[in-house]
Amino acid sequence: DTEVTQTPKHLVMGMTNKKSLKCEQHMGHRAMYWYKQKAKKPPELMFVYSYEKLSINESVPSRFSPECPNSSLLNLHLHALQPEDSALYLCASSLRPDEQFFGPGTRLTVL
Amino acid sequence: DAKTTQPPSMDCAEGRAANLPCNHSTISGNEYVYWYRQIHSQGPQYIIHGLKNNETNEMASLIITEDRKSSTLILPHATLRDTAVYYCIVRTFRDNYGQNFVFGPGTRLSVLP
Repeated sequence: DTEVTQTPKHLVMGMTNKKSLKCEQHMGHRAMYWYKQKAKKPPELMFVYSYEKLSINESVPSRFSPECPNSSLLNLHLHALQPEDSALYLCASSLRPDEQFFGPGTRLTVL
Repeated sequence: DAKTTQPPSMDCAEGRAANLPCNHSTISGNEYVYWYRQIHSQGPQYIIHGLKNNETNEMASLIITEDRKSSTLILPHATLRDTAVYYCIVRTFRDNYGQNFVFGPGTRLSVLP
């Protein structure tokens, strides 16, 4: 298995909803990442987990809550989001520090 | 990490070589040049990276000038499937996890039939 999977592919939620994004990899990678990408913009890093511990939080608002239950799984819990949080959310993982493998992303729309 | 500048867009005829330039005039001695690409509606994909020697793999070649202030990614025989945004990233190699790539605006390459 040489890919990063993300579910769901699309998500529409209201501002009062609570939802979660899921990311999974079975390549034995020990670092996992969340990126946010707005339309026609490059990806922006949100969080990095290294050996299941949060190592980088790029000053992300608390309405985004990451979780790494084990080395293969990464979740992003969403609560009280704003319409401007609508974006493509990308997950990545890496074995070597210089090569990240990205999933296809979850396209999130906040109404 | 050093900043990079890339042309916002380029066209290339199918079957021809696509040469994508990247300027990184403030690069320091321990910084590597990385290339990723993002095909529409997909996650970014690693292509290649190098320090000062030219590099080649099954996807592309990376040519870094002797002063390391610029580099060129070469796709030797571009196909329609190579249409994507190409990101040049310069950063220090770190042997630990928990590090990030800062993506610039990139070059939107259109391969034309």
